[in-house]
Amino acid sequence: KQEVTQIPAALSVPEGENLVLNCSFTDSAIYNLQWFRQDPGKGLTSLLLIQSSQREQTSGRLNASLDKSSGRSTLYIAASQPGDSATYLCAVRQEDKVIFGPGTSLSVIP
Amino acid sequence: NAGVTQTPKFQVLKTGQSMTLQCAQDMNHNSMYWYRQDPGMGLRLIYYSASEGTTDKGEVPNGYNVSRLNKREFSLRLESAAPSQTSVYFCASSARTGRLQETQYFGPGTRLLVL
Repeated sequence: KQEVTQIPAALSVPEGENLVLNCSFTDSAIYNLQWFRQDPGKGLTSLLLIQSSQREQTSGRLNASLDKSSGRSTLYIAASQPGDSATYLCAVRQEDKVIFGPGTSLSVIP
Repeated sequence: NAGVTQTPKFQVLKTGQSMTLQCAQDMNHNSMYWYRQDPGMGLRLIYYSASEGTTDKGEVPNGYNVSRLNKREFSLRLESAAPSQTSVYFCASSARTGRLQETQYFGPGTRLLVL
């Protein structure tokens, strides 16, 4: 059974810092991995999707990497801003199912 | 283009009552999903529909039923609500290109409180 974990559960950083969020999964037989952002009381917004054949994806200040063989992905956020404060979730797709991690709650302090 | 819409946004039920959560997408996606989100547990898949006319159980299907009414609509029914079903429910949809699944798009969620 696929299990997805995220470390740390919560993170607080001063504005301007670069930071890394971690995601681990137990079964490497995945189709893709996706990073989402969730603001309090809101739905999820997709940030980046990495297909299983890819190593990384970039969008603006965000860079996500995937090492399928070791079951790991990282989300790198450059020059963090208070507007980046949210919960970040990773999710892996296997067949028609998507399995989510519990999320990392990020707070960027001005 | 509204994306994924869910109704209602908020609902309070008494134990034993029934209700249906509605979800619709206007992106012509094949696949649709229902999740519940509880504190500290992330999102857990309740049911999904890979294509119109098919539905399958996810991780936590007990106490729920679903109907894929057509390609646009996927409803979730609680036949006899229990306090353990107090949660935030999210509907999502995604396209499928061959064996590759594209990005999931989420609705705004339905907050359900069962007393």
